[in-house]
Amino acid sequence: EPEVTQTPSHQVTQMGQEVILRCVPISNHLYFYWYRQILGQKVEFLVSFYNNEISEKSEIFDDQFSVERPDGSNFTLKIRSTKLEDSAMYFCASRSSRDRRSYEQYFGPGTRLTVT
Amino acid sequence: RKEVEQDPGPFNVPEGATVAFNCTYSNSASQSFFWYRQDCRKEPKLLMSVYSSGNEDGRFTAQLNRASQYISLLIRDSKLSDSATYLCVVLNFNKFYFGSGTKLNVKP
Repeated sequence: EPEVTQTPSHQVTQMGQEVILRCVPISNHLYFYWYRQILGQKVEFLVSFYNNEISEKSEIFDDQFSVERPDGSNFTLKIRSTKLEDSAMYFCASRSSRDRRSYEQYFGPGTRLTVT
Repeated sequence: RKEVEQDPGPFNVPEGATVAFNCTYSNSASQSFFWYRQDCRKEPKLLMSVYSSGNEDGRFTAQLNRASQYISLLIRDSKLSDSATYLCVVLNFNKFYFGSGTKLNVKP
């Protein structure tokens, strides 16, 4: 069964550094998402991406964040100048647009980001 | 007001019990509804979509009440492996909003 993959599984970085989190969505999916989940809190939407551009973003997704689909398979989230409060689990998700269940998202296993 | 609200629980039930969770949402224009389960420190996994007519998948039944803006999930004959946090998710204009989740503990 196809699945979303994410790398790395755990990233430790120092405050002020830049990190890039990588995701490979399911191959025939067209919509891609990033979410974050701070430990013990709910899953929060960051951004959605379709047709090589951002389609929606939340208030959390400010100038510190950017997303890119550099090739046909990867989908990346860049966080510049990381802060302690960026420590969280970051999930990538994707969904199809072609069938009846097209709004169903499938999540990757997440990248745990620890900012020290 | 929160977009999606759930009772955090925990719901502690014995194996074989029937348990029900509710979730309310604030935006009457919400388009689609889902239940996900999340195990500790893992990703959310889709359990089922929720349709206006209600839908069933084995021991799981989901219902949507648009007039009252709530969604329910019923789990029959609960198993130890059902222990998890159940997340209610609502789609508004290509943004997915997650509830904080309801924790279920199924005990032997």
